[in-house]
Amino acid sequence: DAGVTQSPTHLIKTRGQQVTLRCSPKSGHDTVSWYQQALGQGPQFIFQYYEEEERQRGNFPDRFSGHQFPNYSSELNVNALLLGDSALYLCASSFIKAMNTEAFFGQGTRLTVV
Amino acid sequence: AQTVTQSQPEMSVQEAETVTLSCTYDTSESNYYLFWYKQPPSRQMILVIRQEAYKQQNATENRFSVNFQKAAKSFSLKISDSQLGDTAMYFCAFKLGGSQGNLIFGKGTKLSVKP
Repeated sequence: DAGVTQSPTHLIKTRGQQVTLRCSPKSGHDTVSWYQQALGQGPQFIFQYYEEEERQRGNFPDRFSGHQFPNYSSELNVNALLLGDSALYLCASSFIKAMNTEAFFGQGTRLTVV
Repeated sequence: AQTVTQSQPEMSVQEAETVTLSCTYDTSESNYYLFWYKQPPSRQMILVIRQEAYKQQNATENRFSVNFQKAAKSFSLKISDSQLGDTAMYFCAFKLGGSQGNLIFGKGTKLSVKP
């Protein structure tokens, strides 16, 4: 059983560019959450997707957007990249009806903006 | 709003000894969950232990146990018989109960286990 998989593992982009990160949830999971982890910090919640809709959102600008596909996989898009967007982006999946179970995390995508 | 505070940026322990990592949180809610996650250099967040706020008994998972003090809003992690593989960042996290709410993380504690 594959866990949560994220791609790519590393990415270097230039300021002003746009980037798309991808996440495949653990088998049987239907909810995907995205987190941004700056160097030396704990992860910060960006947003959560369920049934192809954004259900919750953290304190992130509209430059951060996402999508969930019918197979439950998800994308995180960031437009007009800033140097401050450099971080580890983590995807976590869970099963909506099992509300009290843990979320499983992927290994993250390391984004560097230069 | 809920907050999570980890006041120990770094800690070290000798192999086979015991270490305690501290975490405090703030919430006005009564239904919530607390977690300790481990993040090794591989970057993947791994759940170490979880505690339901409504349970008075402290959670235990093998060498890992917690001291949950609800009134004091304290949630510390004790690692017994420390192993070299325990070297990692440890994050305390909070989640509201009754929903697939997001996790709120502390800033983490870097634990080094020395041989």
